[in-house]
Amino acid sequence: AQSVTQPDIHITVSEGASLELRCNYSYGATPYLFWYVQSPGQGLQLLLKYFSGDTLVQGIKGFEAEFKRSQSSFNLRKPSVHWSDAAEYFCAVGVISSGSARQLTFGSGTQLTVLP
Amino acid sequence: NAGVTQTPKFQVLKTGQSMTLQCAQDMNHEYMSWYRQDPGMGLRLIHYSVGAGITDQGEVPNGYNVSRSTTEDFPLRLLSAAPSQTSVYFCASRRDRANGYTFGSGTRLTVV
Repeated sequence: AQSVTQPDIHITVSEGASLELRCNYSYGATPYLFWYVQSPGQGLQLLLKYFSGDTLVQGIKGFEAEFKRSQSSFNLRKPSVHWSDAAEYFCAVGVISSGSARQLTFGSGTQLTVLP
Repeated sequence: NAGVTQTPKFQVLKTGQSMTLQCAQDMNHEYMSWYRQDPGMGLRLIHYSVGAGITDQGEVPNGYNVSRSTTEDFPLRLLSAAPSQTSVYFCASRRDRANGYTFGSGTRLTVV
């Protein structure tokens, strides 16, 4: 069965510092990969997605992620964090279900705190 | 604005009561899903639909029913609420497999 691991439950960075959130997946085939962000009390917003092609994917809000097949990873990065980036971040992998529809399996999330 | 609308935003139920969480989208998306979010567990798929009249079970379907009579609506029914169903519920939709989901703002359910 597929799985997604986000090894960091909580990360704290200073505003202006660089950020990397880790995501590792386990899936037999080439996955569809996503990063979502959730602000307090809100639903999830799609940051970026990887389906195929260029392994470095650009998203909204200045985020990017790199798919590394050899490491089964899809880490999220941002060169300079803003206070408004404080939120919870979820990595997800799209998998084939019994209905031949790709459904998402989510990681447990990484809470990002940004210090002034 | 177009999007996914969930109602209610908050609900308290007594054990054994039934209720329906509503979800509607106005983007003509074929795919719709229900997730529950619990601390430290990420989001887990309850049920999903790939089009009107077609539904299937996800990871944690027990205690929940769904139906998809129209493209727009995908209600989630709790037949007999249990404290273990205390959670935040998210409905999501997407156009097809090549797109990410758009999420509703969630329903916070407490079962006492």
